[in-house]
Amino acid sequence: DAGITQSPRYKITETGRQVTLMCHQTWSHSYMFWYRQDLGHGLRLIYYSAAADITDKGEVPDGYVVSRSKTENFPLTLESATRSQTSVYFCASSRGRAEQETQYFGPGTRLLVL
Amino acid sequence: AQSVTQLGSHVSVSEGALVLLRCNYSSSVPPYLFWYVQYPNQGLQLLLKYTSAATLVKGINGFEAEFKKSETSFHLTKPSAHMRDAAEYFCAVSGTGNTPLVFGKGTRLSVIA
Repeated sequence: DAGITQSPRYKITETGRQVTLMCHQTWSHSYMFWYRQDLGHGLRLIYYSAAADITDKGEVPDGYVVSRSKTENFPLTLESATRSQTSVYFCASSRGRAEQETQYFGPGTRLLVL
Repeated sequence: AQSVTQLGSHVSVSEGALVLLRCNYSSSVPPYLFWYVQYPNQGLQLLLKYTSAATLVKGINGFEAEFKKSETSFHLTKPSAHMRDAAEYFCAVSGTGNTPLVFGKGTRLSVIA
């Protein structure tokens, strides 16, 4: 049971380039989330998705694009990377949006934008 | 709006000593509260959660937390720290609107031999 995986685990890119971070889950969870983790800020929600073809903005969506054509995949694209997007990105999933639902996290992608 | 404050960005304890990580929340509705742990170079995993059943919640690895409505607190404790407990700990509260879960900024726990 693979659970939730992210790829790549590490990425170095240059300012202005497009980057796509992949997230895949094997539980058929309805909800999927993208967070970024930065020192002093904890985790901040970028986007989330309630189901295939349904996405919504989180706290810090600017500069990011998501899609969800299949339930198990939730890619995050930085259309034109900036240095401020250097961060650790976590994907998560949960069975539903109910307030007591546990979110399950992937191992993260460390992104460095030069 | 919901929010979480974790007091102390870094806590250091000796092996075998009591662990106390503080979390205070603000919520306009009855909250659901969570503690997650992040070991180095890993994602977050659930330690425990409060879902209004019992105010004292027991989690994995010997941790527990008590929900105190009058104090708006959900502090995490463990009677005796182990070296393997060294990690980052995040408190979170159920959100509303476009933020299903609101995280605190985290507390890094160091355990000294």
